[in-house]
Amino acid sequence: AQTVTQSQPEMSVQEAETVTLSCTYDTSENNYYLFWYKQPPSRQMILVIRQEAYKQQNATENRFSVNFQKAAKSFSLKISDSQLGDTAMYFCAFMNFGNEKLTFGTGTRLTIIP
Amino acid sequence: EAGVAQSPRYKIIEKRQSVAFWCNPISGHATLYWYQQILGQGPKLLIQFQNNGVVDDSQLPKDRFSAERLKGVDSTLKIQPAKLEDSAVYLCASSLGLESDTQYFGPGTRLTVL
Repeated sequence: AQTVTQSQPEMSVQEAETVTLSCTYDTSENNYYLFWYKQPPSRQMILVIRQEAYKQQNATENRFSVNFQKAAKSFSLKISDSQLGDTAMYFCAFMNFGNEKLTFGTGTRLTIIP
Repeated sequence: EAGVAQSPRYKIIEKRQSVAFWCNPISGHATLYWYQQILGQGPKLLIQFQNNGVVDDSQLPKDRFSAERLKGVDSTLKIQPAKLEDSAVYLCASSLGLESDTQYFGPGTRLTVL
């Protein structure tokens, strides 16, 4: 079974700074997908970014980028120029190729300080 | 485009009572998921439907939980009888049903069992 580990329960950073959230996973599969989801307080979960394991290039979405290290099974999220609206729980998630089941980590609570 | 709708948003019941949650996915989405998110944890998949058929219910406590999606559109999740440990947010998500397609989440129903 796949497991996803987020070792930082809480983080805080000043507005406009850069922050990196860590995620490691365990799998014996070679083809899979990785995701970062954002869950703002009392609001619904939304997809931030996704990475296909077969792609060597790291995914980017505006201020959000990932550092995908397949051999190390590491998938960190970098948020540049952080904004107050980035305050949320961030979940790392894993999906096997051919199986739509998402396995989530325990989340990192990120607070952006004005 | 309307998002995933869920009702009620909040529910408080006493243990051994019954409760039902409703979900209406995004129009055209073939796949529907129910997740349980216990406080401090990431969401855990309970059941996955493809149209009106069950794809995965391996994590559903079938002695007390049931779910249906009779017409392949909206879905109902029921707990009967509820236990204290069922207190959680119940999230519904939907996707087009294509390979590794993005899952879109609803706002969730927060259940408190007293």
